[in-house]
Amino acid sequence: QKEVEQNSGPLSVPEGAIASLNCTYSDRVSQSFFWYRQYSGKSPELIMSIYSNGDKEDGRFTAQLNKASQYVSLLIRDSQPSDSATYLCAVNRINFNKFYFGSGTKLNVKP
Amino acid sequence: EPEVTQTPSHQVTQMGQEVILRCVPISNHLYFYWYRQILGQKVEFLVSFYNNEISEKSEIFDDQFSVERPDGSNFTLKIRSTKLEDSAMYFCASNRAGTANSPLHFGNGTRLTVT
Repeated sequence: QKEVEQNSGPLSVPEGAIASLNCTYSDRVSQSFFWYRQYSGKSPELIMSIYSNGDKEDGRFTAQLNKASQYVSLLIRDSQPSDSATYLCAVNRINFNKFYFGSGTKLNVKP
Repeated sequence: EPEVTQTPSHQVTQMGQEVILRCVPISNHLYFYWYRQILGQKVEFLVSFYNNEISEKSEIFDDQFSVERPDGSNFTLKIRSTKLEDSAMYFCASNRAGTANSPLHFGNGTRLTVT
């Protein structure tokens, strides 16, 4: 069983729409959850972190965490072509010096 | 804003040769990591390092790999005898110690090509 699972996509949305990216994880003792954006050929760049159940908003981004369902999501409002990238979900287990990454969801925002 | 720096950005080597990838983590970070990403695949954990010793390592991190903090700023990954399948982007990352809620900060990566 994979530690972190994401739909590989591509997810295509028109400019200005809401993009919804999902992630599930297998280990119930996971504590911390992160969304990274990765442009082709570049390193992962932190977008948001979330540690408690519920929603966390930062500008156009909203992260949602449901620990009972072992589910994390990222909503991108007013999507822009510059948001086109691969979005990686990362999970930190209770021994916090080992982060697990999902395979990523490729997002295409069409002008 | 402080950042993780990696050198070189590209490294081409022949199979069987040794390579050393270098990283300077963020200065007030105490945990250091190496990850790799084979083209088109996921970011894979190799090793974490704290207090001058390996904290955790994956099954990928076999005897051909080693890490070292030779001085107060550098953190290196050595591959002793490179194989074709070692070709990948290698990312160094760091985070603060003492809290689980501390995200990884990545360097720009070293693209290693083994021919």
